[in-house]
Amino acid sequence: SQTIHQWPATLVQPVGSPLSLECTVEGTSNPNLYWYRQAAGRGLQLLFYSVGIGQISSEVPQNLSASRPQDRQFILSSKKLLLSDSGFYLCAWSPRQAEAFFGQGTRLTVV
Amino acid sequence: KQEVTQIPAALSVPEGENLVLNCSFTDSAIYNLQWFRQDPGKGLTSLLLIQSSQREQTSGRLNASLDKSSGRSTLYIAASQPGDSATYLCAVNPHTGFQKLVFGTGTRLLVSP
Repeated sequence: SQTIHQWPATLVQPVGSPLSLECTVEGTSNPNLYWYRQAAGRGLQLLFYSVGIGQISSEVPQNLSASRPQDRQFILSSKKLLLSDSGFYLCAWSPRQAEAFFGQGTRLTVV
Repeated sequence: KQEVTQIPAALSVPEGENLVLNCSFTDSAIYNLQWFRQDPGKGLTSLLLIQSSQREQTSGRLNASLDKSSGRSTLYIAASQPGDSATYLCAVNPHTGFQKLVFGTGTRLLVSP
């Protein structure tokens, strides 16, 4: 069966520090991968998606970037965090044209 | 621009009641619709996926319907239990091949023993 791993679960980072969140999927190949953010009091917003290694599409302009160095690995990064980057970050995967499955999320607090 | 609305925002019921959660979307050109459950501080658990060509899907005590032409979906929960307490999210996907989901803000459900 397929599983998705996301870490760390919680993170507190100072403003201006770098960020790296990692997500890996097991039990499938060539999945579509996604990063979503859930800000306090707001719905989930799609940040990035990827259909293959090295292929990244950004949905919203922001201070973050994403990379997919391996088929089942998706990384969310920032060179310098802003206070507004705080939120709950969720990685997801989907087979082609099928339902999406989410990880357990990372709670990021920028202080 | 697709917008998804969920009503009510919060719902409190006694154990054993049947209940309906509502989801509406502004653009009927969707590929599929997915219902999720989110426990506090946790990720999303997929409950049901309805393709645009389908009218409903069932899983255990859950039944989701889709009326694409009117831009509506409902999630029916039969014989509610305290363990059903969570936030329920509706999301629509306007694209083929990807799950670029547009989410509603959810319905927070509390089932009391």
